[in-house]
Amino acid sequence: EDQVTQSPEALRLQEGESSSLNCSYTVSGLRGLFWYRQDPGKGPEFLFTLYSAGEEKEKERLKATLTKKESFLHITAPKPEDSATYLCAVQGGGGSYIPTFGRGTSLIVHP
Amino acid sequence: NAGVTQTPKFQVLKTGQSMTLQCAQDMNHNSMYWYRQDPGMGLRLIYYSASEGTTDKGEVPNGYNVSRLNKREFSLRLESAAPSQTSVYFCASSLAGTSHEQYFGPGTRLTVT
Repeated sequence: EDQVTQSPEALRLQEGESSSLNCSYTVSGLRGLFWYRQDPGKGPEFLFTLYSAGEEKEKERLKATLTKKESFLHITAPKPEDSATYLCAVQGGGGSYIPTFGRGTSLIVHP
Repeated sequence: NAGVTQTPKFQVLKTGQSMTLQCAQDMNHNSMYWYRQDPGMGLRLIYYSASEGTTDKGEVPNGYNVSRLNKREFSLRLESAAPSQTSVYFCASSLAGTSHEQYFGPGTRLTVT
């Protein structure tokens, strides 16, 4: 059974204070690891897909990295508008169409 | 491009009432999904449709039924609503079932009294 654990559950940062969110996973044959951002009262919004260990992707102040056991979402010099819940999901092998989501990290960035 | 649309945005039902949540996507995606999101529980998959003409149960299918009406539309029906079905419901779609990211709708907030 695929499993995803995100930490911390909640994170408060000051504007400009860089940090990282963690997504630890257990999966049989990783087909993809996905990061999403969810604002209050809205649906999750896709950010990144990572397919293999060593892969990195960047978008503005966000950078996602992947190892064989975990993924990190690094936030560099965050701004208040980066405040949101960040969700991690994995899709394993075996032809399954069902991704497994973590419970998310709630990020608040104070001005 | 509207992406994924859902109706209604909000709904209040009484126990035992029925309703259908509608979802449509205009991205020519093959796979569609219904999730519920509850505080502390994360996103849980109710049903999914890997392609037009197929549907399968997810993690929490009890009390729900689905219909993949065509490639664009995927509806979720509650036949006899229960307070335990109070939740926020999200529809999502992806190009194909494996290795592809999902695109989510804005959600339906359902309260069952």
